Amino acid sequence: SQTIHQWPATLVQPVGSPLSLECTVEGTSNPNLYWYRQAAGRGLQLLFYSVGIGQISSEVPQNLSASRPQDRQFILSSKKLLLSDSGFYLCAWSSGAANTGELFFGEGSRLTVL
Amino acid sequence: GESVGLHLPTLSVQEGDNSIINCAYSNSASDYFIWYKQESGKGPQFIIDIRSNMDKRQGQRVTVLLNKTVKHLSLQIAATQPGDSAVYFCAENRGSGGSNYKLTFGKGTLLTVNP
Repeated sequence: SQTIHQWPATLVQPVGSPLSLECTVEGTSNPNLYWYRQAAGRGLQLLFYSVGIGQISSEVPQNLSASRPQDRQFILSSKKLLLSDSGFYLCAWSSGAANTGELFFGEGSRLTVL
Repeated sequence: GESVGLHLPTLSVQEGDNSIINCAYSNSASDYFIWYKQESGKGPQFIIDIRSNMDKRQGQRVTVLLNKTVKHLSLQIAATQPGDSAVYFCAENRGSGGSNYKLTFGKGTLLTVNP
């Protein structure tokens, strides 16, 4: 069966510090990968998606970047965090082959920037 | 701005009652809709989906209704249980061929089930 893991689960970082959130998927090949951000009491905002290794599409201009160094690995990064980067970050995957449209989410990473 | 929104931000029901969560969308080109359930501190979980060529789809205790004329989507939960308490999101997909690159989520409705 397919599983998705993201870490760390919680993170408290000072303003100006770097960020690295990692996500890996097991049990599937060539998945589409996504990073979403969820502000408190809000919906999910798509930040990045990737359809293959090294292929990253950014949805909104921001202080963050994403990379996909391996087929089932997706990394969210920042060189210098801002207060506004605080939020709940969710990694998700979908089948690149199937036509179901279903997204499978990780458990999320809560980032607090102080 | 978002084209997917929810009429009611909160909904409180008694255990055993039926729940109805509503969602409006504005993009008539959207061809695929999904409902997700998110429990506190967790990632969203898929509940049920529906394509634009359907107006109703049933799952276990859940039914999704799609009214394309008024661009309205609803999730019905039968015999609501305490474990159903969560935030429910509707999402629309404007991608072609079922691609969900552009899945847009609404703000969510908090469902509280009272014992």
